[in-house]
Amino acid sequence: DGGITQSPKYLFRKEGQNVTLSCEQNLNHDAMYWYRQDPGQGLRLIYYSQIVNDFQKGDIAEGYSVSREKKESFPLTVTSAQKNPTAFYLCASSATPGTGRYEQYFGPGTRLTVT
Amino acid sequence: KNEVEQSPQNLTAQEGEFITINCSYSVGISALHWLQQHPGGGIVSLFMLSSGKKKHGRLIATINIQEKHSSLHITASHPRDSAVYICAAFETGNQFYFGTGTSLTVIP
Repeated sequence: DGGITQSPKYLFRKEGQNVTLSCEQNLNHDAMYWYRQDPGQGLRLIYYSQIVNDFQKGDIAEGYSVSREKKESFPLTVTSAQKNPTAFYLCASSATPGTGRYEQYFGPGTRLTVT
Repeated sequence: KNEVEQSPQNLTAQEGEFITINCSYSVGISALHWLQQHPGGGIVSLFMLSSGKKKHGRLIATINIQEKHSSLHITASHPRDSAVYICAAFETGNQFYFGTGTSLTVIP
């Protein structure tokens, strides 16, 4: 079964600690995205990557970092610099940009709570 | 400034009713995406469209490019349709912009 996996589903951390959220896809998609969802707000783009070893900041990249060493994997690190890290984080992927196939496929999400 | 606006924010319907959710956007788009999010948080793609109309089962999505408006219709609504419906506009050469979602509750 092709799809996107995110782990863990729930994550609890103490303030001041960095934490890494996992995202893996086996859809052979080139593009991958990280979004943050807060109550009452639309999804906001944190980072995206259209190709291995390359990524761009989204609208709310401050306090986050990513890597794209493999096509299948796009981990997100929430650093201690992120002022309000408690949120629901969603990873998505889509086919190669420019192909006209824009549909995004989403993972199940990770709910991060920082206290 | 919100590039994508959805209405209504909340919607309660009786089972069997016809439902319409609206989405207006301000950016130039290549495609518009309708998504469904269930209480557990996972998001499922319903439709991706760039013109006209698409139908899948009891769901119909339409888009009017000139008016920058899209609608999602649910015919013969059922309690299992209860979810948050999200509209996302893909700005040409750029990124997706998401609406805040419409929370739908269908009462038996």
